[in-house]
Amino acid sequence: GAGVSQSPSNKVTEKGKDVELRCDPISGHTALYWYRQSLGQGLEFLIYFQGNSAPDKSGLPSDRFSAERTGGSVSTLTIQRTQQEDSAVYLCASSLEMDNYGYTFGSGTRLTVV
Amino acid sequence: AQTVTQSQPEMSVQEAETVTLSCTYDTSESDYYLFWYKQPPSRQMILVIRQEAYKQQNATENRFSVNFQKAAKSFSLKISDSQLGDAAMYFCAYQGGGGSNYKLTFGKGTLLTVNP
Repeated sequence: GAGVSQSPSNKVTEKGKDVELRCDPISGHTALYWYRQSLGQGLEFLIYFQGNSAPDKSGLPSDRFSAERTGGSVSTLTIQRTQQEDSAVYLCASSLEMDNYGYTFGSGTRLTVV
Repeated sequence: AQTVTQSQPEMSVQEAETVTLSCTYDTSESDYYLFWYKQPPSRQMILVIRQEAYKQQNATENRFSVNFQKAAKSFSLKISDSQLGDAAMYFCAYQGGGGSNYKLTFGKGTLLTVNP
């Protein structure tokens, strides 16, 4: 696609429910990143996918968070048993491999846990 | 670990005036890249400008320019002839230069208001 597409744009969920956030990167971009932006904070790295390599999951805050990338394209970030502290904007970005020219970001999913 | 600090949580500027946003960073690497991103209310992070650490010349993109002071580890953004559309959150970001350095480390941002 022309840009990085994320869905849903906004999600309100009840505490304890599971949620899935979707990211569709730019066609041809082999690298995909998830970041979390909490209120008043900068962006916090969550996970990185590059081609068929094992993902870098070092930023996932707990085992309730997981992500997968199917077919080297679309990625899904899953949060199980959501907590109020999970409320944030989840941003996805993609880039060419080993790209130092900056990522292309999507518009994010605003997750609110009530 | 690298850190990026933006000491100005909020800034304001009059339309058509010039404003400078500050950013400092801490790293032991000699090769790296620095970025400024803009985040309007639409939430999408938009790349404003990029600087390669090994280049002494300051990057410029139209009304946006940087003052890169490598020894001081400072990377400020100057916006000239400010426009209402420049109002946004601005983030400074760092990326290491090695082949395995793919992560961007962000500051906490500066909220820029442009007054008509």
